Amino acid sequence: AQRVTQPEKLLSVFKGAPVELKCNYSYSGSPELFWYVQYSRQRLQLLLRHISRESIKGFTADLNKGETSFHLKKPFAQEEDSAMYYCALWGNNDMRFGAGTRLTVKP
Amino acid sequence: EPEVTQTPSHQVTQMGQEVILRCVPISNHLYFYWYRQILGQKVEFLVSFYNNEISEKSEIFDDQFSVERPDGSNFTLKIRSTKLEDSAMYFCASSEQGSSFGYTFGSGTRLTVV
Repeated sequence: AQRVTQPEKLLSVFKGAPVELKCNYSYSGSPELFWYVQYSRQRLQLLLRHISRESIKGFTADLNKGETSFHLKKPFAQEEDSAMYYCALWGNNDMRFGAGTRLTVKP
Repeated sequence: EPEVTQTPSHQVTQMGQEVILRCVPISNHLYFYWYRQILGQKVEFLVSFYNNEISEKSEIFDDQFSVERPDGSNFTLKIRSTKLEDSAMYFCASSEQGSSFGYTFGSGTRLTVV
């Protein structure tokens, strides 16, 4: 079974500072990894997927199979980035989520 | 862009009552899912459904829960004899078979058990 670990429940940075949200995974097959964002009491929104290698809202994430990690990074955090961030892994025809990291960007 | 639709957006029910949460998946999708998110906590997998049967379920999905695809469009989650701790946001999702690319969440139903 797949498992996703987000070791930090809370992360607080100042506006303009770099931010990195950690994600590690465990899966026997070839993983597809995702980051979802959830703004206050709203639906989960797809932020990015590793296959697309895209950058959304300045966020990027690189899949490191050696370290089984998929950390989310942004060089300059903005106040509007404050939200819950979930790392997710698609495998066995379903999506499993990490526990989430609450990012707070202070002015 | 196709959407997964959930109704109602908010449901309040008395403890011990049965509730049915409804979802309309994207029309050509074949896999359906329910997730639960207790306020302030993680998104938890409940169940996946394919070919008119449950393909996988978590330990949360006990005999109190059931899912059904009563017609060609709806996918429902029934919670029998609700408890206070069932209060949560319930998300439905659907996907094309064997692919994550069409995987789409609904906007959720907030269930409040009083």
